[in-house]
Amino acid sequence: KNEVEQSPQNLTAQEGEFITINCSYSVGISALHWLQQHPGGGIVSLFMLSSGKKKHGRLIATINIQEKHSSLHITASHPRDSAVYICAVQSLLGAGSYQLTFGKGTKLSVIP
Amino acid sequence: DTEVTQTPKHLVMGMTNKKSLKCEQHMGHRAMYWYKQKAKKPPELMFVYSYEKLSINESVPSRFSPECPNSSLLNLHLHALQPEDSALYLCASSQEVAFAPYEQYFGPGTRLTVT
Repeated sequence: KNEVEQSPQNLTAQEGEFITINCSYSVGISALHWLQQHPGGGIVSLFMLSSGKKKHGRLIATINIQEKHSSLHITASHPRDSAVYICAVQSLLGAGSYQLTFGKGTKLSVIP
Repeated sequence: DTEVTQTPKHLVMGMTNKKSLKCEQHMGHRAMYWYKQKAKKPPELMFVYSYEKLSINESVPSRFSPECPNSSLLNLHLHALQPEDSALYLCASSQEVAFAPYEQYFGPGTRLTVT
C-alpha cells in the first residue's frame, strides 16, 4: 500500500503570504491529486498531475516523479483559501485495477 | 454539467430507522464511489461501482447497502445504524474504471447523525 505523508499538518499564514504544502509518497504512482475541502463541505479537485507542473490562477502544483514528491503553492494567499488541502495518489495495482490513497490533509488558515 | 449532487444535505436518524442517501451525476462517468469521512480525518473508501457493477467493497458492515440503479444514480441504503456511523458521507464519480487516472468529482456530502 502506498504511504502518503503531508506536511505541515497545520499552517497559519498572513494574507498575502506565499504558501507551500508538501506531499510525499512511497510507491510509484499513475497520478497525484490535490483536493480542497472547506469546513463542513464537499471536496473540490484542484489538480491532477502525473508529471511536471500545473497552474490555475494563484495555485501552482508541481510533482517530481523521481523523488516521489509534490508541492502545492498558493501565491498571494487570501482568507478564502482557508481550507483543508488533501493530497491523494493513484497507484496501479495490476490487471487494470487502481487504488487511491489519501494523505491526512493540511489545515490552512489565512489571517487577514 | 460537471456537478455531483447529493441528497439530503443533512440527515438525523435513530438506530432503528431505515433511510437512503442519493447521489447523481450527468457527466457520463462510469465509476462512482461512496466515502465516509469522520471529523479531521481523510475520506475512507466504502464502495466502488464500475459500469454499474459493484467492484470494490471495503469490508463495510451490512447495515450499509449500496445500489446503482443506472449509470447516473448511486444510492446508499442505511439500516440499524450505530452512533459511531455518524459522519459525512461523500459520493464521487470519475471516467472509466475505478480509480483510473482521471479526475474525481465529489459531491457536497450528506452529514449523517445517528441518535
